[in-house]
Amino acid sequence: AQSVTQLDSQVPVFEEAPVELRCNYSSSVSVYLFWYVQYPNQGLQLLLKYLSGSTLVKGINGFEAEFNKSQTSFHLRKPSVHISDTAEYFCAVRNDYKLSFGAGTTVTVRA
Amino acid sequence: KAGVTQTPRYLIKTRGQQVTLSCSPISGHRSVSWYQQTPGQGLQFLFEYFSETQRNKGNFPGRFSGRQFSNSRSEMNVSTLELGDSALYLCASSLGFGELFFGEGSRLTVL
Repeated sequence: AQSVTQLDSQVPVFEEAPVELRCNYSSSVSVYLFWYVQYPNQGLQLLLKYLSGSTLVKGINGFEAEFNKSQTSFHLRKPSVHISDTAEYFCAVRNDYKLSFGAGTTVTVRA
Repeated sequence: KAGVTQTPRYLIKTRGQQVTLSCSPISGHRSVSWYQQTPGQGLQFLFEYFSETQRNKGNFPGRFSGRQFSNSRSEMNVSTLELGDSALYLCASSLGFGELFFGEGSRLTVL
């Protein structure tokens, strides 16, 4: 079975500062990895995905993530956050026909 | 291209009643998945349909059921509602592989 661990439940950060959200996964097979964002009272929006190829993946809104197979990690980064990045972020791994999600990381950006 | 559409967005039911939620996938997508999101349990997989066949099912009681129609639209039904069924129910569509695209969700409150 595959599982996902998001190491930080809450991350407060000042505007224009960098942010890193940590994600570790467990899997015995090749994985497809994703980061989704959820704004209040909305569904999930895909930020970026790793299916194969380059281990550095660039997504929308200036986010990027690095797939590290040896450390089984897929950390999300943004060099400079905005107030509008305040949201909940979910790391997920795809196994057959379903996604297994982490518990989520709430990012609060302060001015 | 229209996204995933879920109806209704909000609904209130009482214990013992049943509810049906609807999901229209992105045009061309043949896979529809359902997830339950609660503060305590996070995002949990309910089931996935592809071309009208259920391919995978999560660990939910038989009160939770679903179906998919020939036009790929899907419905999920919860019978004999319990207080613990209060949640945001998210539908996602895909081509059958790769990333999932989520709708805005249906927020169910059981009183």
